[in-house]
Amino acid sequence: GDSVTQMEGPVTLSEEAFLTINCTYTATGYPSLFWYVQYPGEGLQLLLKATKADDKGSNKGFEATYRKETTSFHLEKGSVQVSDSAVYFCALRTSGAGSYQLTFGKGTKLSVIP
Amino acid sequence: DTGVSQDPRHKITKRGQNVTFRCDPISEHNRLYWYRQTLGQGPEFLTYFQNEAQLEKSRLLSDRFSAERPKGSFSTLEIQRTEQGDSAMYLCASSKLGTGDDEQYFGPGTRLTVT
Repeated sequence: GDSVTQMEGPVTLSEEAFLTINCTYTATGYPSLFWYVQYPGEGLQLLLKATKADDKGSNKGFEATYRKETTSFHLEKGSVQVSDSAVYFCALRTSGAGSYQLTFGKGTKLSVIP
Repeated sequence: DTGVSQDPRHKITKRGQNVTFRCDPISEHNRLYWYRQTLGQGPEFLTYFQNEAQLEKSRLLSDRFSAERPKGSFSTLEIQRTEQGDSAMYLCASSKLGTGDDEQYFGPGTRLTVT
């Protein structure tokens, strides 16, 4: 079945440090890939997405590129801020009729310290 | 849009009791999803509706779980004879068919604790 593996946390970085959170997937067909973020006390929010190979999703300074050859969708940000502290989830949605569920990784907790 | 809302936000119940949660999706969103999230894990899909029709159910949805969306608007998720293993955050999401995007918008969740 479909699965998502993302790096274990927690990750602690100093403000303005470079962030990478690794995500790899296993899926049949050609999935769409997503990063969701969950800020403390809030619901899941879509951060960015990519729907086909080599697409780059970007939002709020975060980027991730859909790499079909390595089945990866790593999240990066050049300079993190304290406000980026949250739990980040990588997810996929497989293509095909009637298949709309999201499959999530376990999440990576990021803490950014001043 | 006011966003997806869920009620209650927290529920504590004793083992063996029945509980019901409600989800109000974003208006005009015709798809509605339920997920379950346990501590330290990502959300796991339970079921989804398109309008009032329940089109997909996960193997995680045992016979004690039932979901409805009677008029294609709000949805309820009922758990009968709760067990301690049912303790989790129950998330609802909605999306709109036909936008080409189908982004799922999540509610804040209902945290269930079974004692």
